[in-house]
Amino acid sequence: DAKTTQPTSMDCAEGRAANLPCNHSTISGNEYVYWYRQIHSQGPQYIIHGLKNNETNEMASLIITEDRKSSTLILPHATLRDTAVYYCIVRGGATNKLIFGTGTLLAVQP
Amino acid sequence: GAVVSQHPSWVICKSGTSVKIECRSLDFQATTMFWYRQFPKQSLMLMATSNEGSKATYEQGVEKDKFLINHASLTLSTLTVTSAHPEDSSFYICSARDYIDTQYFGPGTRLTVL
Repeated sequence: DAKTTQPTSMDCAEGRAANLPCNHSTISGNEYVYWYRQIHSQGPQYIIHGLKNNETNEMASLIITEDRKSSTLILPHATLRDTAVYYCIVRGGATNKLIFGTGTLLAVQP
Repeated sequence: GAVVSQHPSWVICKSGTSVKIECRSLDFQATTMFWYRQFPKQSLMLMATSNEGSKATYEQGVEKDKFLINHASLTLSTLTVTSAHPEDSSFYICSARDYIDTQYFGPGTRLTVL
């Protein structure tokens, strides 16, 4: 069962930052937050993951609240190629599997 | 990031035939690989976990005799859909976990059963 809640869809203007929220209020202490995205008819692409500290890589930043019950994925300068379904997934603990929910469809507008 | 390939990228077969899909980790070794299935306009559904040198673990509701998984080496896992029927038509995606436990996905295989 997916353990996260995400908005169904979001729009973002090209060149602006895209902020994608995710709620994971039942997250356990040893579970990580992972973000993937899926462009239409392709396999999911790994973006970033974190445990409790904020993380940044060449693709995005991940901001995790202090209580770890929610997080935000930030794409600093969205482009049209960032249009995709973004999945926030909690993984770890006993099952340690990536279970996909419905994700957020991010539409970057020109 | 790490690269995972799948072959074929698409396949069309007749009802009753078997189809084999290969998943390879190209630049890393993967003791654990996963198989997912995705129907149109739906999310990915985990089918099974494949561990190198041992039997796969199937998710509830997935028929192990229909979806045969073999993980004979650290870079190759195969999924065979046996006696395929039109309802098996789907997008099959594999993934592999690297040594720091990050999971990378293949590009997917589109199966159409006529």
